[in-house]
Amino acid sequence: GAGVSQSPSNKVTEKGKDVELRCDPISGHTALYWYRQSLGQGLEFLIYFQGNSAPDKSGLPSDRFSAERTGGSVSTLTIQRTQQEDSAVYLCASSLSFGNTIYFGEGSWLTVV
Amino acid sequence: AQTVTQSQPEMSVQEAETVTLSCTYDTSESDYYLFWYKQPPSRQMILVIRQEAYKQQNATENRFSVNFQKAAKSFSLKISDSQLGDAAMYFCSNFGNEKLTFGTGTRLTIIP
Repeated sequence: GAGVSQSPSNKVTEKGKDVELRCDPISGHTALYWYRQSLGQGLEFLIYFQGNSAPDKSGLPSDRFSAERTGGSVSTLTIQRTQQEDSAVYLCASSLSFGNTIYFGEGSWLTVV
Repeated sequence: AQTVTQSQPEMSVQEAETVTLSCTYDTSESDYYLFWYKQPPSRQMILVIRQEAYKQQNATENRFSVNFQKAAKSFSLKISDSQLGDAAMYFCSNFGNEKLTFGTGTRLTIIP
């Protein structure tokens, strides 16, 4: 597609439920990033993929968070047993390769009630 | 480790005037890139300008320009002829070692 596509754009879930957030990067982009932005805050790095591998998982807040990428394209961020502090906008971004401009999707707004 | 510091949480400027947003960073990488991103209320992050650290010449994009001081690790953004559509959160960021690190942002208000 023309840009980074994320779904769902908004998700309300009950505490304790699992959620999956999807990111479809720009075609041909090998690098894919997940960030979290809490209300009124800056961006917190979560995880980075180069192809299908994730060299840096240091940003994942807890073992309830996991991410995968298949076929060097679509990525899924999964949050298990959601907590209220997980409420945030989850932003996905992609770039052609290291050092190239990083393009962001519009984000998935997660609210845990 | 990379850090990015934006010391101005909020700024305001009169329409058509010029404003400068400050940013300092720290990195141990020799090869890195600096960016300014804009985030309007729609929350879409939009690239404003990009600077390669190995280039001495300051990047410019129409009304947007940077003052890149590599020795001082400073990367400020100047917006000339400010327009109402420039109102947004502005994030300074540093890309190095395969990671893009963001500052905490500056909220820019344009006064008509």
